[in-house]
Order: sequence, then C-alpha cells, then structure tokens
Amino acid sequence: DIQMTQSPSSLSASVGDRVTITCRASETISSHVNWYQQTPGRAPKLLIYVASRLQSGVPSRFSGSGSGTDFTLTISNLQPEDFATYYCQQGFSSPVTFGGGTKLEIK
Amino acid sequence: EVQLLESGEGFVRPGGSLRLSCAASGFTFRSYAMSWVRQSPGRGLEWVSTISGPGEDTYYADSVMGRFTISRDNARNALYLQMNSLRVEDTAVYFCTKGSGSGWPFEFWGQGSLVTVSS
Repeated sequence: DIQMTQSPSSLSASVGDRVTITCRASETISSHVNWYQQTPGRAPKLLIYVASRLQSGVPSRFSGSGSGTDFTLTISNLQPEDFATYYCQQGFSSPVTFGGGTKLEIK
Repeated sequence: EVQLLESGEGFVRPGGSLRLSCAASGFTFRSYAMSWVRQSPGRGLEWVSTISGPGEDTYYADSVMGRFTISRDNARNALYLQMNSLRVEDTAVYFCTKGSGSGWPFEFWGQGSLVTVSS
C-alpha cells in the first residue's frame, strides 16, 4: 500500500497568516492527490482534487500543488473557520490511502 | 443539493452483525460509484469498500474482505454496508461517500454512523 506522510502533524497560526501543509507519498503517484478539511464532529469536506483543482464552492485562498511524491496544501489569509484538521489522500492505486492529518490550531 | 443520510449505527458484540444504510439525494445516484470510509482514533481515515454505479463491481479493503458486503439499490437511491463477523478493531465512525477516491475523489460525505464493537 502507498503510505501518505503529512507534516507537520500540528500547526499553530493566526488569522491572516499563510500556512503550508506537506504530504509525501511513499512512491510516485503522478498528481492523484486530494485534500480534505474536517472540523470536530463533522464529516471531511473535499477542498482540492488532482493535486491542484479547487472544488466548487471552496474559497480561492486554498490552493494545492505538487506531483510525483511531494504535495502541498497552502492556505492564504487564514480565516477563523479554517482552523480544522486537514488530510491528504492518494487515488493513484488501490487501496486508496489517507495521510495521518494536520491539525491547524489558533495561536 | 447533494445529501447523504446514513442510518443503522449501533453497538454490537464481537462476532455480531450490523447493516448500515445511506439514503442519497440531489444527484443522479446510479451514475456514480459510492464508497464507505471509516475513521477511528487508532487507524485514522481508512477506505473500506467501493461499488460501481450499476452495482456490478465491488472492491474491499483487505481488512474487511470476506466479512463486509457493499450493495446498492439504484431504484431507491440507497447504499448499504452489511458487516458480519465484527471485530473490536472495526469500531469506528463509518461515512457514506459519493465517489471512489481512485480517479475521482470522495466528493461528498454523509454525517457518519458510529459502530461500536465491544464485549
């Protein structure tokens, strides 16, 4: 199975900051990475698919990049509603697998 | 508006069975693969199973193969997960999702159903 390693596992930031979350795949996966946001008690929500495509309705302050094994999710101008846990997921080969998550907290 | 409404959560002893259901609305159900994804503190997010739009093709994680069965009723816009021979490690919140995660993301998620397996 392909392992997805996220870093950092937790991150503190302030409203208005720009943050970057990294996801590394254990083998090359082209651009087959999706990013999800989860707030406590809620289901994950799709933010970015195929590494860089913004899901409909998601604010443009969210962006994704990368290919091969290294991927990033960047959030510009952090808003209060962005403090959540973020997960990457590879869809290149079965079984699809998720990263362990990055918890973004308010500083 | 896409909605995925799950039901069937509960408590069961090891070796027992449980059936989860997911009622879908807001999209052409039969046209999309559907999946179950679970989440637990110890295992994080874990894909469980996927079924194709027509329902002819099914896929399972190794951890549930032979114990869980995914199915769908396209006339009723419903997705199911029959879980047999449940183990303590199956304890998790189970999410119904639109999409397969492979080639297309898990586009929408249900609210989740808690399954607790304990003696």
